Amino acid sequence: QKEVEQNSGPLSVPEGAIASLNCTYSDRVSQSFFWYRQYSGKSPELIMSIYSNGDKEDGRFTAQLNKASQYVSLLIRDSQPSDSATYLCAVNDRDDKIIFGKGTRLHILP
Amino acid sequence: DVKVTQSSRYLVKRTGEKVFLECVQDMDHENMFWYRQDPGLGLRLIYFSYDVKMKEKGDIPEGYSVSREKKERFSLILESASTNQTSMYLCATLTGLRNQPQHFGDGTRLSIL
Repeated sequence: QKEVEQNSGPLSVPEGAIASLNCTYSDRVSQSFFWYRQYSGKSPELIMSIYSNGDKEDGRFTAQLNKASQYVSLLIRDSQPSDSATYLCAVNDRDDKIIFGKGTRLHILP
Repeated sequence: DVKVTQSSRYLVKRTGEKVFLECVQDMDHENMFWYRQDPGLGLRLIYFSYDVKMKEKGDIPEGYSVSREKKERFSLILESASTNQTSMYLCATLTGLRNQPQHFGDGTRLSIL
């Protein structure tokens, strides 16, 4: 059974600090990785895609991928109260099917 | 931008009713998906379709059916609604190209009384 694992949280981070969200996946040949943000009562919104090892930066967001360790993370710099949400990690498996983690709840403390 | 439109944001139905949830996309994507999302259980795939008139069961198809008569429209049908089908229902689309993300509609919060 292919899996994507995330800590459910809640992860509490002070405003202005760096929030670090982690995700591990089981299918070694996965090639594409996505982070979605989901506000309470809303649908998931794509915020980052990453396909190769290393870091990818977009504004305050940085996605990090380590295929050898089967690990992908999302860093949020200068955290704001508006970043409080559930963050879903999603991975394409070898059959190009997307598998979602259950999400990590992030709470930014004002 | 991809636009995925679900017909209702909130819907209240009664046990035993036949319920239709509609999803329409404007990006000519080949693949369409229906999920339900419940607290602590994450997104669970009900059905998906990779072409017109084609459908595949997901992880929890029992109690549901789907219809895809046109490429842009994917309907989820609850044949005889039950209270355990109260949930948030999310439609998503995906291009036929490899390694692309799914795009979600706004969701339908369905309550079965």
